[in-house]
Amino acid sequence: GAGVSQSPSNKVTEKGKDVELRCDPISGHTALYWYRQSLGQGLEFLIYFQGNSAPDKSGLPSDRFSAERTGGSVSTLTIQRTQQEDSAVYLCASSFSSGGQVLYFGAGTRLSVL
Amino acid sequence: KQEVTQIPAALSVPEGENLVLNCSFTDSAIYNLQWFRQDSGTGLTSLLLIQSSQREQTSGRLNASLDKSSGRSTLYIAASQPGDSATYLCAVFGNEKLTFGTGTRLTIIP
Repeated sequence: GAGVSQSPSNKVTEKGKDVELRCDPISGHTALYWYRQSLGQGLEFLIYFQGNSAPDKSGLPSDRFSAERTGGSVSTLTIQRTQQEDSAVYLCASSFSSGGQVLYFGAGTRLSVL
Repeated sequence: KQEVTQIPAALSVPEGENLVLNCSFTDSAIYNLQWFRQDSGTGLTSLLLIQSSQREQTSGRLNASLDKSSGRSTLYIAASQPGDSATYLCAVFGNEKLTFGTGTRLTIIP
């Protein structure tokens, strides 16, 4: 597609449920990043992929968070047993490579945990 | 750990004025610095990217400078317009990831 696509755009869930957030990067972009933006906070790095591998998982807040990328394209961020503090906007970005190229961001998924 | 600070957190200026947004970072071992704008309800849009070896970059009414040794960058916006109203974020690229500041919320008053 023309840009980075994220789905769903909004997700409301109950505490304790699992959620999956999807990111479809720009075609041909090998690097993919996940960030989280909580209300009034800056962007918090979660994880990045180069191809299908994730060299840096250091930003994942807990073991309830996991991410995968298949075929060097679509990525899924999964949050298990959601907590209210997981409420945030989850942003995905892609770039041509991981070598400091311009990042192109999707519009984000707004997650609300009740 | 890299820390990025943006001052001021919010700024309001009358239309037509020139303005400067400031960004500072603690670790000068960066690969590049990027400025983004974020509009309500949408993602981030890249404005300018300055490589660590460069001093400035220009795009239209925007000019970004970088002083890596002192850990500072500025974004200069000339002849501001109401459409410039947004949150501006600076981010430094190092250790394979971008580290973001908390942004400056800019309001241009018509």
